[in-house]
Amino acid sequence: DAKTTQPTSMDCAEGRAANLPCNHSTISGNEYVYWYRQIHSQGPQYIIHGLKNNETNEMASLIITEDRKSSTLILPHATLRDTAVYYCIVRVGWNTDKLIFGTGTRLQVFP
Amino acid sequence: GAVVSQHPSRVICKSGTSVKIECRSLDFQATTMFWYRQFPKKSLMLMATSNEGSKATYEQGVEKDKFLINHASLTLSTLTVTSAHPEDSSFYICSARGRRGDNEKLFFGSGTQLSVL
Repeated sequence: DAKTTQPTSMDCAEGRAANLPCNHSTISGNEYVYWYRQIHSQGPQYIIHGLKNNETNEMASLIITEDRKSSTLILPHATLRDTAVYYCIVRVGWNTDKLIFGTGTRLQVFP
Repeated sequence: GAVVSQHPSRVICKSGTSVKIECRSLDFQATTMFWYRQFPKKSLMLMATSNEGSKATYEQGVEKDKFLINHASLTLSTLTVTSAHPEDSSFYICSARGRRGDNEKLFFGSGTQLSVL
């Protein structure tokens, strides 16, 4: 199972871009990278996922390196409500649904 | 997006009693649901995979007789914590697959905070 490594915590000023890195050096060719976030005492919220190409949606952008060994989640204009724990997850197996959570990055957005 | 409803959001019970937590997919059918638990300031830990119409698959170290899972319909899975003890106090979260395909997303319930006195 591919494992992920994320910084324990990060700070970001409100209105600035938050760039959250993730290393997944043992990822397999058919494994997707998923990002979820969890606001205190709530269930995780899906943000974005990708395989090889960079992805963008209304919440964030996902940049995956060409060798797929790392990725970066970008919140273009962070707000105080983006304060949460962000999890980078590599999907276990290509035809299973299991998501194994690592320790995540605690993002604190300050005014 | 798909909605997963979890009930109750919070429960307090006495040691030795059993507690049932419900997880419902509101606008889609979920053949597979997942149950996680989370301790304070820790990450989510997968407990088991709930399969509609068949036995649940438990992760290593999770007692199946302690955490009973029933997935009797395509929209409902239940987790029963039997003979609960204070060490079972935790945040329990369910998730369900939104739709088929490689790009499927897992949607999560809002969680249940269990406190065993």
